[in-house]
Amino acid sequence: GEDVEQSLFLSVREGDSSVINCTYTDSSSTYLYWYKQEPGAGLQLLTYIFSNMDMKQDQRLTVLLNKKDKHLSLRIADTQTGDSAIYFCAEASGNTPLVFGKGTRLSVIA
Amino acid sequence: KAGVTQTPRYLIKTRGQQVTLSCSPISGHRSVSWYQQTPGQGLQFLFEYFSETQRNKGNFPGRFSGRQFSNSRSEMNVSTLELGDSALYLCASSYRDAGYEQYFGPGTRLTVT
Repeated sequence: GEDVEQSLFLSVREGDSSVINCTYTDSSSTYLYWYKQEPGAGLQLLTYIFSNMDMKQDQRLTVLLNKKDKHLSLRIADTQTGDSAIYFCAEASGNTPLVFGKGTRLSVIA
Repeated sequence: KAGVTQTPRYLIKTRGQQVTLSCSPISGHRSVSWYQQTPGQGLQFLFEYFSETQRNKGNFPGRFSGRQFSNSRSEMNVSTLELGDSALYLCASSYRDAGYEQYFGPGTRLTVT
């Protein structure tokens, strides 16, 4: 079945760039998402990319997709303490529901 | 536009009881999905409703059920609660498909004692 893998933890210094990586197994995935979850909150949709794209940039966020290797990354430029949260990668195709990774906890050190 | 709202935000129930959670999607969104989030299992899909019909169902026992009303609001029900049902229950809405641009509510934290 489908599977989405992420590393569990990432620690960066304020002002540096953060790169969160994700791999997925379903080659028919159409949409690949990044969500952010802060303590006690729901999931915030940060950005997403269609499978026919290689890159998407949205302000401080850059998503890179390597479809051959089924690898997705999220780069956050100029990381701030407010970016500390859990980041989830998710994939879906058509009308199938989202399949999530376990999440990467990003800690930003001031 | 108002976001997805969920009520109540917190619930404490005892084993064997039943519970009903409510979700109001973003205006104009007809697809509502429910997810269960636990530290051990992560985010797991429960079911999706579109225009009052269940379109997708996850791998949960029949104690978990849901429905959707004509105004797209959705409820999920868990009967005969077990300790393992303690979780954050998240509702998400989309104007189109279960896998397309899902916007999540703040969740309902259910604690079963």
